[in-house]
Amino acid sequence: AQKITQTQPGMFVQEKEAVTLDCTYDTSDPSYGLFWYKQPSSGEMIFLIYQGSYDQQNATEGRYSLNFQKARKSANLVISASQLGDSAMYFCAMREDNTGTASKLTFGTGTRLQVTL
Amino acid sequence: KAGVTQTPRYLIKTRGQQVTLSCSPISGHRSVSWYQQTPGQGLQFLFEYFSETQRNKGNFPGRFSGRQFSNSRSEMNVSTLELGDSALYLCASTEGSGPNQPQHFGDGTRLSIL
Repeated sequence: AQKITQTQPGMFVQEKEAVTLDCTYDTSDPSYGLFWYKQPSSGEMIFLIYQGSYDQQNATEGRYSLNFQKARKSANLVISASQLGDSAMYFCAMREDNTGTASKLTFGTGTRLQVTL
Repeated sequence: KAGVTQTPRYLIKTRGQQVTLSCSPISGHRSVSWYQQTPGQGLQFLFEYFSETQRNKGNFPGRFSGRQFSNSRSEMNVSTLELGDSALYLCASTEGSGPNQPQHFGDGTRLSIL
């Protein structure tokens, strides 16, 4: 079974609009972390935002916010006021604490976001 | 602080050869993880090293190996290269072992097998 599911292969958004990228996850571990990364065409993975399973509030980092709905096992990324430079692949990833290490991430298949004028 | 540095950026090899990729983590980061990214399989975890010890390993054949040096720099080796090993190899470093520590990635090494 997929542990991380991103159902939107591609998304378009107009500049200055907000966009939501979907992510659902599957785990039986009560302690886990969810991450979003941005990958421009150049290849590097850029960390955007983190949400812990025990965090009471949704995470925010500048124009990025995470809509965390634990009961639904979803962790959607919201980008406000989109900019042309936001065009990239976006990956949702999960770290389960039962792996014995903080460093093993399981990634979704990604969503390609295109920001248009 | 300098970011994660991976060398080389691009590499072309032929089947049967072996290759070594290098990763220098962010200064002070002791954990280094490696991932393989392909269009078909997406991003897959290879292994993680912490204080020169392999702490975790993904589901890859023994042709894939790695090591970490005392300065936390890490190398990844792939022997007897196959066409399917063509991929972007990403290295990531983490400052500590806390559950909320994000991994910081390098630019990757793009390996092409002819």
